[in-house]
Amino acid sequence: DTGVSQNPRHKITKRGQNVTFRCDPISEHNRLYWYRQTLGQGPEFLTYFQNEAQLEKSRLLSDRFSAERPKGSFSTLEIQRTEQGDSAMYLCASSLSAGTQYFGPGTRLTVL
Amino acid sequence: QQQVKQSPQSLIVQKGGIPIINCAYENTAFDYFPWYQQFPGKGPALLIAIRPDVSEKKEGRFTISFNKSAKQFSLHIMDSQPGDSATYFCAASTQGGSEKLVFGKGTKLTVNP
Repeated sequence: DTGVSQNPRHKITKRGQNVTFRCDPISEHNRLYWYRQTLGQGPEFLTYFQNEAQLEKSRLLSDRFSAERPKGSFSTLEIQRTEQGDSAMYLCASSLSAGTQYFGPGTRLTVL
Repeated sequence: QQQVKQSPQSLIVQKGGIPIINCAYENTAFDYFPWYQQFPGKGPALLIAIRPDVSEKKEGRFTISFNKSAKQFSLHIMDSQPGDSATYFCAASTQGGSEKLVFGKGTKLTVNP
């Protein structure tokens, strides 16, 4: 049984570039969540999906951010025109309906 | 507006001690309260969770105490070990946990040998 996986684990990019992260949830988990965590803070909710439907987006998710879950399995989070303030750990979690949210190891983004 | 307030920010105990971490919430619609443990460079891992119909839940060395009227809950770690050194986050959610988690800011626990 594999847990939630995220790729890449680390990403360094220059300001203004686009980046895309991938999350593979636990098999058969129908809910998938994205959170962002900055140093010394707790994770902050960004968005979540039930199957392929995006049910809620945080106001933190500016129009430079877009997330998809095209077939209700893996999900991608894209950040366009990255800014230094986007530097953070991006965490993905999955759950089976109202069950426990299981987190992946995260993708650490550094914007130079 | 921070919906879940966690204290203390950091905590140092000796091996065998009982660290206690406290959280308070504002939204009375919250009905699911998990605690997560996070090691450096890793994602958060669920330790234990409680729903407001019980006042205490114990799993191994970890105990959650819940006070619905005061809108507070706390984590107690019995017989703490150096391997428990990590950052602990309380969180809250509605709809039995199916909705987004709102996290506290975390408590960095150090257990000295």
